[in-house]
Amino acid sequence: DAGITQSPRHKVTETGTPVTLRCHQTENHRYMYWYRQDPGHGLRLIHYSYGVKDTDKGEVSDGYSVSRSKTEDFLLTLESATSSQTSVYFCAISANNEQFFGPGTRLTVL
Amino acid sequence: DQQVKQNSPSLSVQEGRISILNCDYTNSMFDYFLWYKKYPAEGPTFLISISSIKDKNEDGRFTVFLNKSAKHLSLHIVPSQPGDSAVYFCAASANEGAQKLVFGQGTRLTINP
Repeated sequence: DAGITQSPRHKVTETGTPVTLRCHQTENHRYMYWYRQDPGHGLRLIHYSYGVKDTDKGEVSDGYSVSRSKTEDFLLTLESATSSQTSVYFCAISANNEQFFGPGTRLTVL
Repeated sequence: DQQVKQNSPSLSVQEGRISILNCDYTNSMFDYFLWYKKYPAEGPTFLISISSIKDKNEDGRFTVFLNKSAKHLSLHIVPSQPGDSAVYFCAASANEGAQKLVFGQGTRLTINP
């Protein structure tokens, strides 16, 4: 399973509050990704990282920021959560020409 | 602009028969394609992939076919088993291996006994 964990696994928050989701990997992979999954849209890339402190935007980056201060952790922050950010969030790493996904975080913004 | 499309939201197949899941793409720069399977409350898991230099790749019950001229790929599962019931996503990347994947919307496959 590539040693990927996500925390928290479930979160309910209110509109306007900041939220940080954590992705942790144990195998020193260089590339890490954050996706969101919504009905009718599949998985869409939010941000990705290609090394410590090296990040770039994906397809749906508005309203999200990321940080990677060490290889094993990739943080996704919603500075001010909105109801449109209610979704399931997946972290992934790439290795051996495939991506391995974490178990997901279900976020509900009321 | 959906670059990878799975036009069938759902598919129902009898156990033991063949399941065929389809995927179309628009970006001619895509050169690597993957299929993922997803169960509820779990992350997607890799099934099979194909490079654009091939037109077929087989792994046990799973075969992926790539038609570059039609910008179309399909996943064949034969024989279908109840454990194959899941959501299937196709994904594509351009010149970057498995980096920066673009996913389709997914197809929910149900295998009936």
